[in-house]
Amino acid sequence: DAMVIQNPRYQVTQFGKPVTLSCSQTLNHNVMYWYQQKSSQAPKLLFHYYDKDFNNEADTPDNFQSRRPNTSFCFLDIRSPGLGDAAMYLCATSRGSGRAHEQFFGPGTRLTVL
Amino acid sequence: KNEVEQSPQNLTAQEGEFITINCSYSVGISALHWLQQHPGGGIVSLFMLSSGKKKHGRLIATINIQEKHSSLHITASHPRDSAVYICAVRSDSNYQLIWGAGTKLIIKP
Repeated sequence: DAMVIQNPRYQVTQFGKPVTLSCSQTLNHNVMYWYQQKSSQAPKLLFHYYDKDFNNEADTPDNFQSRRPNTSFCFLDIRSPGLGDAAMYLCATSRGSGRAHEQFFGPGTRLTVL
Repeated sequence: KNEVEQSPQNLTAQEGEFITINCSYSVGISALHWLQQHPGGGIVSLFMLSSGKKKHGRLIATINIQEKHSSLHITASHPRDSAVYICAVRSDSNYQLIWGAGTKLIIKP
């Protein structure tokens, strides 16, 4: 089935140790999004790619970077995770970023920082 | 005041009951989404609406654009429907999603 896949589902890292989260999609969608969701809060958009065009939200910390080597894959790199970066990280895709494009979400990766 | 308000925040009901969750918004939108999130889980998109009504199985979503209000209904509720239901609107100015705080639904057997 076409879908958005995130690996791993659970990731444990140490304070300051770089970590990479992975997202892949079989929907052939142009847009891929990364959200951060902390406990009992709404997801917060970190950045999105429209094809190879990278769009960073103004308040996304520099500690967070992203790569999209091809249409199917998008990576979230956290260079030096702090305790405050522990959260659920959600990847989503949409065909376009315009008016009527629905976002499809992956199952998320829960990041724990020790 | 939040741009997207959901009510109730928490809802506990017995299996079989008809459930209604409400969403009001104050911005111009191009679409409204209803999403479901199980505890510790990812988000599943249930509906995307820009007018009228949609039905999928036991779920029904309606939207009134003039009143800036949407409802999500669950008929014959079941314990597996227990989850957080989130309303999110797509702004018509920058197409970003603006999220409601979610409604935590518990269905007791």
